[in-house]
Amino acid sequence: AQSVSQHNHHVILSEAASLELGCNYSYGGTVNLFWYVQYPGQHLQLLLKYFSGDPLVKGIKGFEAEFIKSKFSFNLRKPSVQWSDTAEYFCAVNAIITNTDKLIFGTGTRLQVFP
Amino acid sequence: EAEVAQSPRYKITEKSQAVAFWCDPISGHATLYWYRQILGQGPELLVQFQDESVVDDSQLPKDRFSAERLKGVDSTLKIQPAELGDSAMYLCASSFTGSGNTIYFGEGSWLTVV
Repeated sequence: AQSVSQHNHHVILSEAASLELGCNYSYGGTVNLFWYVQYPGQHLQLLLKYFSGDPLVKGIKGFEAEFIKSKFSFNLRKPSVQWSDTAEYFCAVNAIITNTDKLIFGTGTRLQVFP
Repeated sequence: EAEVAQSPRYKITEKSQAVAFWCDPISGHATLYWYRQILGQGPELLVQFQDESVVDDSQLPKDRFSAERLKGVDSTLKIQPAELGDSAMYLCASSFTGSGNTIYFGEGSWLTVV
C-alpha cells in the first residue's frame, strides 16, 4: 500500500530563514505528487504539483519542490519564509494504478514563522 | 473562483445521535471525495464518487457511515450512530475526471461528538 511520510511535525522559524520540509513516499510505480497548504481557519489549497518532466517544480508564493525518484522524495523548499507562511503543510501522492485520483496524505507539518 | 461548498461548518452532537454533512462540488467536477481529518493527522479518504457511483469506499466504516450522490452533483455523508471517535473534520473535495487532475477542497465540517 502507498504511504507518505513527513518527518518534520512542527517547524519553528524566524522570518527570512530558509525552509525545507521533508516528504517521502512508498510506491514503486508512477506517481503524481502534491503539496497542499492549510492556513489557519481556511481550506486546503494546492501549493504545487509534479506530474512529469522537470523534477524541480515551482508553486505559488515562492515555494518550490524537487522530485528525486531514487530517494522517493518530494521535499518542499522556500529560500526566505514570511510570517504569512504560518500554516500546516501536507504532502500527498496519487499512485497511477487506476484512474481514480485517490490522494494519500502525509500527517502534515505545522510551520510557525515568527517576525 | 469556484469553490466546494460544505455545510454545516460546525456540528456538536451527542453520542449515538445521527449527523449529516452536505457538499456541493465545483460545477462540472464529476469526481467527488469525502475525506476525514483527525486532529494532528492528514486527511484520509472515506469515499470517492464518479458521478453518482461509488468507486472507492474501502475506508468507509459502513456499519455507521453512509454516503450518497443521487443525481451525480451534490452529496451527503451520514453518520448513525455517532461515536466519540468520530470527532474530526470532514472534508469534501472535487475534481475533473481523470488521473492527475487537481483536487479542490471545501472548508470542511467540524464534528464534535460529546
